[in-house]
Amino acid sequence: EAGVAQSPRYKIIEKRQSVAFWCNPISGHATLYWYQQILGQGPKLLIQFQNNGVVDDSQLPKDRFSAERLKGVDSTLKIQPAKLEDSAVYLCASSFPGGSTEAFFGQGTRLTVV
Amino acid sequence: DAKTTQPPSMDCAEGRAANLPCNHSTISGNEYVYWYRQIHSQGPQYIIHGLKNNETNEMASLIITEDRKSSTLILPHATLRDTAVYYCIVRVAGANSKLTFGKGITLSVRP
Repeated sequence: EAGVAQSPRYKIIEKRQSVAFWCNPISGHATLYWYQQILGQGPKLLIQFQNNGVVDDSQLPKDRFSAERLKGVDSTLKIQPAKLEDSAVYLCASSFPGGSTEAFFGQGTRLTVV
Repeated sequence: DAKTTQPPSMDCAEGRAANLPCNHSTISGNEYVYWYRQIHSQGPQYIIHGLKNNETNEMASLIITEDRKSSTLILPHATLRDTAVYYCIVRVAGANSKLTFGKGITLSVRP
């Protein structure tokens, strides 16, 4: 079974530039999550989709972050403009809907803002 | 979702059982206990979850106390590859349930 695919694996940008991350979830998974993980901390949920609808984006900094999930499959997360404090690993995960199902995570994208 | 409390770190000897504790004293009846782990530079990996009963799979066992206010993840024969951060998560049942991570516990397995 193919896992959650993310790209790119690494990205280095200057502050005030924009960047986009891509995620392809496991086939059939209606729920998709984006997390931000700063070094030394646990993953922080940024946004959760159910199909192509947003379930929770309460911790997404909407002045600079945006995410979409067209057609309820792939998803992109964008940062514009980036700040130094956005340096982190961005993780995508997917699952079947419900609280008793496991989520599968991708390898993540490591973003460095200089 | 109920919050969880885990010690920041622990270690164990290779080949011995690793018992990782978690407190979730405010857990509700419809909330599951989940365990994930994260090996350095990788995404979190699901280990096991349970509601009321103890659970076992090929990776670990999950022991939930009768009052459900705490649980223990048991790795029966720890290896060096089990060195990781382990997250205990309480997650409500439901279609839009969130998966919220805390700080986790760092397990170091020593040779």
